[in-house]
Amino acid sequence: NAGVTQTPKFRILKIGQSMTLQCAQDMNHNYMYWYRQDPGMGLKLIYYSVGAGITDKGEVPNGYNVSRSTTEDFPLRLELAAPSQTSVYFCASTNGNQPQHFGDGTRLSIL
Amino acid sequence: KNEVEQSPQNLTAQEGEFITINCSYSVGISALHWLQQHPGGGIVSLFMLSSGKKKHGRLIATINIQEKHSSLHITASHPRDSAVYICAVLQGGGSNYKLTFGKGTLLTVNP
Repeated sequence: NAGVTQTPKFRILKIGQSMTLQCAQDMNHNYMYWYRQDPGMGLKLIYYSVGAGITDKGEVPNGYNVSRSTTEDFPLRLELAAPSQTSVYFCASTNGNQPQHFGDGTRLSIL
Repeated sequence: KNEVEQSPQNLTAQEGEFITINCSYSVGISALHWLQQHPGGGIVSLFMLSSGKKKHGRLIATINIQEKHSSLHITASHPRDSAVYICAVLQGGGSNYKLTFGKGTLLTVNP
C-alpha cells in the first residue's frame, strides 16, 4: 500500500518556467489537499478537493492551479514560477474527519 | 494573532526527561491533530482527538475543549524523538474539512 505518492522529490526551476507537481493516493480517499511549508511558518493550504471534479481555493492559492479528474490524482500546476514559490510542498489525503495521510513532500527552488 | 499557537518554539532535553509541548487555539474545532516531522522527512499523524486523553507508547495527548488547549507529552524521551511536533486544528463539517496548523515545536533530545 503506497499511501500518498508525490513526484518529483526535488526540482529547480528558472523564473517564469512552469511545472506540475504530481500527487497520487491509493486509499480511495475523497479529500485531497496541497500545502506549502516555508521556514519558520506553519503549513499553509493552497488548494483542496472534496472529490473528483470538485476543487476549491485554500489560504494561499495565487500562482497555482489544480485539477481533480480522478479520485486518485490531484496535480498542482505552477504556470509562471516566481521566487516566492520556493518552498516545500506537501500533498495529503483523508476521508473527511480522519487523520490526514501526507506524502513525502516536493522541495522546489526557483532561481 | 495566529489561530493556533504552540509553545515552546524550541525545546532541548536530555535523554530520559519528561517533555511537554503546548498548543492553544482560538477557533471552534471538530478535532485536534498532533503531527510529527523528522528533519528532511515527511509528516506523520500521531493523534487525532476531540476530548480527553489518548496514549500511544510513550506519547500522551490531552485536550481541554473549554480552555481551547492541548498538550503533547513524551515520557522517557529518547534521541529518536528529536523532530518537529506540529499541532493542527480541524474545522468544518459536511463536505468541508480543513486543517489549520501551528508553526511547530522543534524538539532536540540529547543522549
